[in-house]
Amino acid sequence: EPEVTQTPSHQVTQMGQEVILRCVPISNHLYFYWYRQILGQKVEFLVSFYNNEISEKSEIFDDQFSVERPDGSNFTLKIRSTKLEDSAMYFCASSSQGPNTEAFFGQGTRLTVV
Amino acid sequence: AQRVTQPEKLLSVFKGAPVELKCNYSYSGSPELFWYVQYSRQRLQLLLRHISRESIKGFTADLNKGETSFHLKKPFAQEEDSAMYYCALSGRSGYSTLTFGKGTMLLVSP
Repeated sequence: EPEVTQTPSHQVTQMGQEVILRCVPISNHLYFYWYRQILGQKVEFLVSFYNNEISEKSEIFDDQFSVERPDGSNFTLKIRSTKLEDSAMYFCASSSQGPNTEAFFGQGTRLTVV
Repeated sequence: AQRVTQPEKLLSVFKGAPVELKCNYSYSGSPELFWYVQYSRQRLQLLLRHISRESIKGFTADLNKGETSFHLKKPFAQEEDSAMYYCALSGRSGYSTLTFGKGTMLLVSP
């Protein structure tokens, strides 16, 4: 069964450093998402991406964040200058269509900023 | 603003007991409601959604617009149901952005 895959599973970085979280969505999906979950809190929407551009973003997704689909398979989330409060589990998801369709999630990348 | 509330952090029951995981939502339009489940060390996965009206693994959920609720129910809990359950809402047309509740951990003891 096709799956969304994320790498790395765990990333430790120093405050102020740039990190890139990588995702390979399911191959025939058109909509891509990043969510994050700070320890003990709810899963929060960051950004959605369709047709090579951001379709929606939350207030969390500020100028420090960017997303890219550099080739036909990868979907990346970059944090330019990490802060301690960026420590969280980051989930990538994809769906075949937009509204009201099932989003398939990756296993997540645990980002620890020290 | 759309919001999902799951009032219970933890629900602990014995095997064979009925289960009800509560979910209330706030949304001004017509929402799409989902239940996602995360078993230990596994990814978030869709359990069910209200438009499909299915029963998955014995679980059902009915959207009650009057009470703005979408509670998840199962008449007889099994040990393998132990997991984290998230209620989620999608309210915007065009994109299936999900707003999640904080989740309820269901523990089913033998």
